[in-house]
Amino acid sequence: EAGVAQSPRYKIIEKRQSVAFWCNPISGHATLYWYQQILGQGPKLLIQFQNNGVVDDSQLPKDRFSAERLKGVDSTLKIQPAKLEDSAVYLCASSSPGLAGAGKYFGPGTRLTVT
Amino acid sequence: GENVEQHPSTLSVQEGDSAVIKCTYSDSASNYFPWYKQELGKGPQLIIDIRSNVGEKKDQRIAVTLNKTAKHFSLHITETQPEDSAVYFCAASRVGYQKVTFGTGTKLQVIP
Repeated sequence: EAGVAQSPRYKIIEKRQSVAFWCNPISGHATLYWYQQILGQGPKLLIQFQNNGVVDDSQLPKDRFSAERLKGVDSTLKIQPAKLEDSAVYLCASSSPGLAGAGKYFGPGTRLTVT
Repeated sequence: GENVEQHPSTLSVQEGDSAVIKCTYSDSASNYFPWYKQELGKGPQLIIDIRSNVGEKKDQRIAVTLNKTAKHFSLHITETQPEDSAVYFCAASRVGYQKVTFGTGTKLQVIP
């Protein structure tokens, strides 16, 4: 079974530039999550999709972050414009509906450095 | 909202010794507690979980205990091996809710 795919793996940009991350979840997983993991901290949920609908985006900085999941499969997360404090690893995860946390599979992440 | 605290932040043990990581949570409604292992350059991987109707769960060298009254839960790794070296995260959530709150992580180093 293929895992959660993410690209790019690494990205370096200057502040005020834009960046986009891509995620392809495990086939058949209806729920998709984007997490932000700052160095030395646990992952923090940014947004959760159920199919192509948003379930929770309460911690997404909507003035600069946006995400979409067209057709309920792949997803993109965009930051525009980036700030220094956005430097982090952005993790995508997917799961089947049901028990919270269980069956949640994470991708390898995209490490973003904002200079 | 839920708040999960995790201790210690770093832990070094000799190969073959046991390692214990402790977490506390704040939301008494939380009833599902997964543990994740994150190796360098990889995403977190679920290694074991426990529900609030169970006090202890074991899977080979890994065990989790839960004290719901005190809102404490712990991860125990016995007979540690170098490949156990990683960052471990505890987490808490409610069954039926997909939102999971993570602890701050424990960097475990197993010294050969």
